[in-house]
Amino acid sequence: QSVLTQPPSVSGAPGQRVTISCTGSSSNIGAGYDVHWYQQLPGTAPKLLIYDNINRPSGVPDRFSGSKSGTSASLAISGLQAEDEADYYCQSYDSSLNALVFGGGTKLTVL
Amino acid sequence: EVKLVESGGGLVQPGRSLRLSCAGSGFTFDEYGMHWVRQAPGKGLEWVSGITWRSGSIAYAESVKGRFTISRDNAKNSLYLQMNSLRVEDTAFYYCARDSYKSSWRNFDYWGQGTLVTVSS
Repeated sequence: QSVLTQPPSVSGAPGQRVTISCTGSSSNIGAGYDVHWYQQLPGTAPKLLIYDNINRPSGVPDRFSGSKSGTSASLAISGLQAEDEADYYCQSYDSSLNALVFGGGTKLTVL
Repeated sequence: EVKLVESGGGLVQPGRSLRLSCAGSGFTFDEYGMHWVRQAPGKGLEWVSGITWRSGSIAYAESVKGRFTISRDNAKNSLYLQMNSLRVEDTAFYYCARDSYKSSWRNFDYWGQGTLVTVSS
């Protein structure tokens, strides 16, 4: 049971837009801690995709965007491409656990 | 180019110990916090432990507290994880990851390729 809750899977056709939700609580996202997103392509290490809720590291396409509101955050991917097929994880800090916490991960399938 | 290279993984029996190492290059190692994150085969990511730039603050996940010890040697640009009393459920890929901040827990902006630890009799 992960501290942050994500849907196990989402799918979309090429060119479409998909969103992945990340729901936390008053001790993590709701307490104002930032949310970060990672992309893990098959057989590779995770890569930082979005940091501090809305920011993209250099080299990440602007098709990827993040948002945060209350105790939840979302990752949106527009103009879906086959190469976006991967696992996506949200991450934040939890003050009651004094720990960095992840969501359980969402597998994106491009139809 | 930032590089993180883990080593020290392998097959170990339950109850035994193992020490992982991570060599950092391409950045000023002592200006960043560092972490270990693990991923059991086919499962999600789990933060294991973190250490700030001068080792002033250290934290562990409950699942490893009292068994694992994180440390760093800034003179050698290296991060370590001493794992004692290993359990079958510790089997995972262990990733070394850099924090984007030096003195607080934030996120993981660079990752190594991981080293596999298998705990089995």
